[in-house]
Amino acid sequence: ILNVEQSPQSLHVQEGDSTNFTCSFPSSNFYALHWYRWETAKSPEALFVMTLNGDEKKKGRISATLNTKEGYSYLYIKGSQPEDSATYLCAREGDSSYKLIFGSGTRLLVRP
Amino acid sequence: DAMVIQNPRYQVTQFGKPVTLSCSQTLNHNVMYWYQQKSSQAPKLLFHYYDKDFNNEADTPDNFQSRRPNTSFCFLDIRSPGLGDAAMYLCATSRDRTGPNEKLFFGSGTQLSVL
Repeated sequence: ILNVEQSPQSLHVQEGDSTNFTCSFPSSNFYALHWYRWETAKSPEALFVMTLNGDEKKKGRISATLNTKEGYSYLYIKGSQPEDSATYLCAREGDSSYKLIFGSGTRLLVRP
Repeated sequence: DAMVIQNPRYQVTQFGKPVTLSCSQTLNHNVMYWYQQKSSQAPKLLFHYYDKDFNNEADTPDNFQSRRPNTSFCFLDIRSPGLGDAAMYLCATSRDRTGPNEKLFFGSGTQLSVL
């Protein structure tokens, strides 16, 4: 994998459903993996920054895992709510310490 | 409470007419970034400032310039916008260059249309 790839591109779920999506990235020269949530008409906000293989982080109903050896991260949302509707961006920090390489995002819509 | 502020929210310009987008921050962060995001694509870094030190990405077109007159403000100048420059432009800051505990703080973006 040369780029940061996110799947699925979009996702529609019903309120109360749990969901997850994937970020795949080059595993070589890995430094950190970021997750951001971007609600429409607002600023992207950082959810997690993870660095270690096997890292798991949690913020309320949202959690993320990291596998640096195989180059992927999962984001989980338990019991989705309409306010979770947003685009979720992941970004890899690698060779150049200042530079985040973003994926194109997963757009989540939670129906009431 | 807004910490990274971008103006305007929407900008319409004409083909070839210079346009400037602005970004300000109240966080006193050392690093400021400009990202370009075209529809449904990944945000792409154009350049960043580490304090006053300007760093251009190799594939950023010459048409794009930036100024950082002080810690708080950063401007993106597009000298001769083309139709392909229509995009969302995101400004972001970080306390230092990204590291294991650093994260980016974003503005809400300026959506640029080129007619």
